[in-house]
Amino acid sequence: QSALTQPASVSGSPGQSITISCTGTSSDVGSYNLVSWYQQHPGKAPKLMIYEGSKRPSGVSNRFSGSKSGNTASLTISGLQAEDEADYYCCSYAGSSTFVFGTGTKVTVL
Amino acid sequence: EVQLVESGGGLVQPGGSLRLSCAASGFTFSSYWMSWVRQAPGKGLEWVANIKQDGSEKYYVDSVKGRFTISRDNAKNSLYLQMNSLRAEDTAVYYCAREGMIQGVISYAFDIWGQGTMVTVSS
Repeated sequence: QSALTQPASVSGSPGQSITISCTGTSSDVGSYNLVSWYQQHPGKAPKLMIYEGSKRPSGVSNRFSGSKSGNTASLTISGLQAEDEADYYCCSYAGSSTFVFGTGTKVTVL
Repeated sequence: EVQLVESGGGLVQPGGSLRLSCAASGFTFSSYWMSWVRQAPGKGLEWVANIKQDGSEKYYVDSVKGRFTISRDNAKNSLYLQMNSLRAEDTAVYYCAREGMIQGVISYAFDIWGQGTMVTVSS
């Protein structure tokens, strides 16, 4: 049950694209296509942005997209906007009805 | 409106106990797995525990096994977390979260979150 590894910070200018990686193991990310991504603004509850690796819930901008390769999942934000500045967390199903979150990434819009 | 509202947080001494509650509204509570997720001050999210729709299955992160107990009362649309033998490292905001479903199939993602309740373990 070790946390998934994310970069501590990622930054980009408005309009650019950024990608956040999320590295796990063959017991979690690598075994299941069940990675979800959450956006959290300061003092607020997390918000689901991507589920099952690449699917967007209703109401989430199509600027957010997810993918996976091996033990690493990725979240890409295209057309970066000021409102995208927040913390982002990945989460993977880890078997036996348990979950593991990533270490979190602070996204800064320059 | 679909909503989760946590309560019961506060200041407790090391070794003490606390019971958190989460009131659900706006959806059929008994149809969903439910989880508790915590976030220590300035730190990341950590999944703590979850419980099946009928309460027959419960799972925990290793660090709370034997100390925390998750439960639910579907008649009251409520989720609970009984926390015993509390330690300083349990200090965190505790969120209840719904494990979503898409067309009746579990999505293994947390689609609804409460606002959180703060638990501080300190002497």
